[in-house]
Amino acid sequence: DTGVSQDPRHKITKRGQNVTFRCDPISEHNRLYWYRQTLGQGPEFLTYFQNEAQLEKSRLLSDRFSAERPKGSFSTLEIQRTEQGDSAMYLCASSLVLALDEQFFGPGTRLTVL
Amino acid sequence: SQQGEEDPQALSIQEGENATMNCSYKTSINNLQWYRQNSGRGLVHLILIRSNEREKHSGRLRVTLDTSKKSSSLLITASRAADTASYFCATDRSNSGYALNFGKGTSLLVTP
Repeated sequence: DTGVSQDPRHKITKRGQNVTFRCDPISEHNRLYWYRQTLGQGPEFLTYFQNEAQLEKSRLLSDRFSAERPKGSFSTLEIQRTEQGDSAMYLCASSLVLALDEQFFGPGTRLTVL
Repeated sequence: SQQGEEDPQALSIQEGENATMNCSYKTSINNLQWYRQNSGRGLVHLILIRSNEREKHSGRLRVTLDTSKKSSSLLITASRAADTASYFCATDRSNSGYALNFGKGTSLLVTP
């Protein structure tokens, strides 16, 4: 399967702990996006990268959140000092510059903060 | 913030019937996309329509766009049980052009 993959698929943590999620985009895609989706809502944009450069961050991305894409391939999203309000599905997507604006989404990481 | 608003929030139909979902948005766009999300699966891109297009077809899907009313509709013809999913419209964020603004979605249930 050469689609977008995310790891882990599920994460349960206690409030105050740090968590890190990984996203592997489709190999030739140079744009990578992170979204967050809560129950009954559509995905909300968090941040995106073009190659290794983080070009935009949403105001939803508080200082407890950090994302990296060190070599322009996979990306990590870290949440420090998790809060119960961080419980959500974290979705990663990738797309190709100069292609249509279709984004390809991974299956998501479901985070539950107890 | 979420730009799009889908209507209705939930729709229940029988197999073979047509399903129509509407989306309204607030600011100018370059394109509008529709995505499907099945329970337990990721979002799947269905169709994209650009701001200079009025109608587009893909298989059993038909999308219309009215930029003067800032609205779009998705029609699924001859629905199947496998079409049961949540459907989201997504608009590009004109100030960045890349990340998407999604609505809250329409939950479609197709019963045999």
